[in-house]
Amino acid sequence: EVVMTQSPATLSVSPGERATLSCRASQSVNRNLAWYQQKPGQAPRLLLYGASIRATGVPDRFSASGSGTEFTLTISSLQSEDFAVYYCQQYNNWPPYTFGQGTKLEI
Amino acid sequence: QVQLVESGGGVVQPGGSLRLSCAASGFSFSRHVMHWVRQAPGKGLEWVALISFDGTSKHYADAVKGRFTISRDNSKNTLHLQMNSLRGDDMAVYYCAGGQLLPTSQFDHWGQGTLVTVSS
Repeated sequence: EVVMTQSPATLSVSPGERATLSCRASQSVNRNLAWYQQKPGQAPRLLLYGASIRATGVPDRFSASGSGTEFTLTISSLQSEDFAVYYCQQYNNWPPYTFGQGTKLEI
Repeated sequence: QVQLVESGGGVVQPGGSLRLSCAASGFSFSRHVMHWVRQAPGKGLEWVALISFDGTSKHYADAVKGRFTISRDNSKNTLHLQMNSLRGDDMAVYYCAGGQLLPTSQFDHWGQGTLVTVSS
């Protein structure tokens, strides 16, 4: 099973600042890595896939990079609606599909 | 637009059974892999099961193997999860999620979830 480790667990930032979230896989997942956003009481929402491809309707302040075992999600200028929990997920070596434990982005 | 609507959650005693359903609309359901993903209260996301676009291939997380069964009815655009021998650690919000045609793909769309509570 591929273990996904996200850091930090919690990131405190201010609106307008840049946020950088990390995700590490225990073995290579190539570029088969997705990022999801989840707000309280809501379902997860796909943000990026293929390590760096924005999903439909996702603002361009969200960007991601990486391949193999190291991945990064960057939010260039935080808006109030961006404060949420972010999960990375690998879909390269399945089953099981595995998620990171999440990074909570808070003010 | 794409909609996934789960139903069937509720309160069940340990050892009991429950059948979840997910009604899909707004996309070609029969051409997409479908998943169930769960989230225990205050916890992260855990993949539960996958079914191929045509229903011929199914995979399960070890935690549910032998107790849960995923199925689909492409004529009704519906996904199901039969859950038997439920335990306390099965208590969670269960989401259905749609992937692409092939299993090596992201989860594009998610339903709002249905809560399963296991309690005596």
